[in-house]
Amino acid sequence: AQTVTQSQPEMSVQEAETVTLSCTYDTSESDYYLFWYKQPPSRQMILVIRQEAYKQQNATENRFSVNFQKAAKSFSLKISDSQLGDAAMYFCAYRRKKAGGTSYGKLTFGQGTILTVHP
Amino acid sequence: DAGVIQSPRHEVTEMGQEVTLRCKPISGHDYLFWYRQTMMRGLELLIYFNNNVPIDDSGMPEDRFSAKMPNASFSTLKIQPSEPRDSAVYFCASSPSAGAGELFFGEGSRLTVL
Repeated sequence: AQTVTQSQPEMSVQEAETVTLSCTYDTSESDYYLFWYKQPPSRQMILVIRQEAYKQQNATENRFSVNFQKAAKSFSLKISDSQLGDAAMYFCAYRRKKAGGTSYGKLTFGQGTILTVHP
Repeated sequence: DAGVIQSPRHEVTEMGQEVTLRCKPISGHDYLFWYRQTMMRGLELLIYFNNNVPIDDSGMPEDRFSAKMPNASFSTLKIQPSEPRDSAVYFCASSPSAGAGELFFGEGSRLTVL
């Protein structure tokens, strides 16, 4: 079964600084998706960034980028120039792409990391 | 597109009462998911459907929980009878085919059972 682990329950960063959130996962599949979702106090789940496993290039979305290390099964999120609006719970998530089996289509989340941004 | 629509946003009920949560997925999406979020257990997948058919309900806590998807545009999650430990935020999410990527989430239904 796929598992996703976020080892940092809480992180903090000064406004305008850079912070990295860690995520590791376990799978025997070769092709899959990895995601980072943000959940602000409004509780809405917002997609931050996604990575396809077969793509070597790390995904980037404005101030958000990932460091995807497939062999190490590591998927960290870097937030540059942190803003007060980045304060939220961040979830790493995994989704298998290959068809078949009861886990096909299922999105598995990590435990989440609470990010605090200090002015 | 209006996104995934959940109702009610908030529900307060007494132990023993029946609770029904509703979800309208994004039109054209083949997958629908029900998640539960609590402080203690984080985000748990309860059940998911593909083309209205339940694929995996192994996350449903017990027989008090049931979910249906009578058509492509509507799903319900029912708890009968409800208990205080069912208090949580329940999310519905939908996605196109699994190969298409991410899930799109509704705003969640916060359930409080007294």
